[in-house]
Amino acid sequence: NAGVTQTPKFRVLKTGQSMTLLCAQDMNHEYMYWYRQDPGMGLRLIHYSVGEGTTAKGEVPDGYNVSRLKKQNFLLGLESAAPSQTSVYFCASSYGTATNEKLFFGSGTQLSVL
Amino acid sequence: EDQVTQSPEALRLQEGESSSLNCSYTVSGLRGLFWYRQDPGKGPEFLFTLYSAGEEKEKERLKATLTKKESFLHITAPKPEDSATYLCAVRSQRNQGGKLIFGQGTELSVKP
Repeated sequence: NAGVTQTPKFRVLKTGQSMTLLCAQDMNHEYMYWYRQDPGMGLRLIHYSVGEGTTAKGEVPDGYNVSRLKKQNFLLGLESAAPSQTSVYFCASSYGTATNEKLFFGSGTQLSVL
Repeated sequence: EDQVTQSPEALRLQEGESSSLNCSYTVSGLRGLFWYRQDPGKGPEFLFTLYSAGEEKEKERLKATLTKKESFLHITAPKPEDSATYLCAVRSQRNQGGKLIFGQGTELSVKP
């Protein structure tokens, strides 16, 4: 059972380049999330999805777009990368909004924008 | 605005030296306080969920407690393998989509 899988694990971009991060989960979870983690800032929510075909903004959505065309996949796009987007990106998923629903996390993507 | 603050930022212990990590929170209607463990280069791994003041949960050398304003993660007789970053997060009544608001984490180092 793979759980939450993120690809790629590492990526280096030049300012202005674009890329897509892929998150796939095999637990049939309804909800999926993209967080970024920066030193001293903790995990901050970028975008999330409460089901196939739906997305919503989190705390720090600017400069990112997302899509959830299939229930098991959640894509995070950077259209024009900036050095401020250098971070570690984590995808997470959960069954739903019940109070006791914990999030399951992937292993992260380390992105550097030069 | 919902906020979570963890202290200390870093904690160094000798093996067997018990201590506690703190998580202070301000939320509009707590719907769950979560503790996660994160090892270097990996994603957070779930430890506990607490729902109401007075609740306690234990797992091996870890014990989590909750009051109306804060949560503590007590580590009894820690071992080097307990070294990790411990994250606290809350789910509030205000939050849509079941998302969690995280603190900055406490980096724990246990030396043999």
